[in-house]
Amino acid sequence: ETGVTQSPTHLIKTRGQQVTLRCSSQSGHNTVSWYQQALGQGPQFIFQYYREEENGRGNFPPRFSGLQFPNYSSELNVNALELDDSALYLCASRRDVSMLGEQFFGPGTRLTVL
Amino acid sequence: SQQGEEDPQALSIQEGENATMNCSYKTSINNLQWYRQNSGRGLVHLILIRSNEREKHSGRLRVTLDTSKKSSSLLITASRAADTASYFCATPLSHIDAGGTSYGKLTFGQGTILTVHP
Repeated sequence: ETGVTQSPTHLIKTRGQQVTLRCSSQSGHNTVSWYQQALGQGPQFIFQYYREEENGRGNFPPRFSGLQFPNYSSELNVNALELDDSALYLCASRRDVSMLGEQFFGPGTRLTVL
Repeated sequence: SQQGEEDPQALSIQEGENATMNCSYKTSINNLQWYRQNSGRGLVHLILIRSNEREKHSGRLRVTLDTSKKSSSLLITASRAADTASYFCATPLSHIDAGGTSYGKLTFGQGTILTVHP
């Protein structure tokens, strides 16, 4: 157990819908990153939040957006869902924005887009 | 694009045997991390090796790093059925996004699927 929780565990949506995924970071961690992992692939960085602001974005379109709250929990929102958005979405938290240390991952949310 | 590339893509062994997985990367790094993932669930951090270290041990795990060859290996000794999982190497890299913001992210390889048969 890493202390990072995600909800929901599984989600089924249809094309064009919108989805919100939630992540509760480990106590004392102020940086949250989100990753998308397609089947059989390694995780791909979506974006990162530090002190409630986006602090870096990977190669994902603007319909992927997020929020971080004062308690450092975070949301990932995806609008206009496409079939290719079907994946495992992972959030990871760490103590500070430095990339030198390990990240603590949640169990993930499995999103299926039909 | 993937920074790390694991080899082999899949490895099948018997309980008690050793399992060796390799990772190659492209750019200079500060450290390299290995993660484990069970059945498409969350990743668990196994071990971090810094660029000035050549070898590190943690229980049945041994990691080596060769910065001249830009490669790392993960050895699991005396494997158990419970070691069955996917293993990923990951490197933290600094980037500048389209808006000019400097940030760091973990870049993962595609992973090695390890199956340990009882």
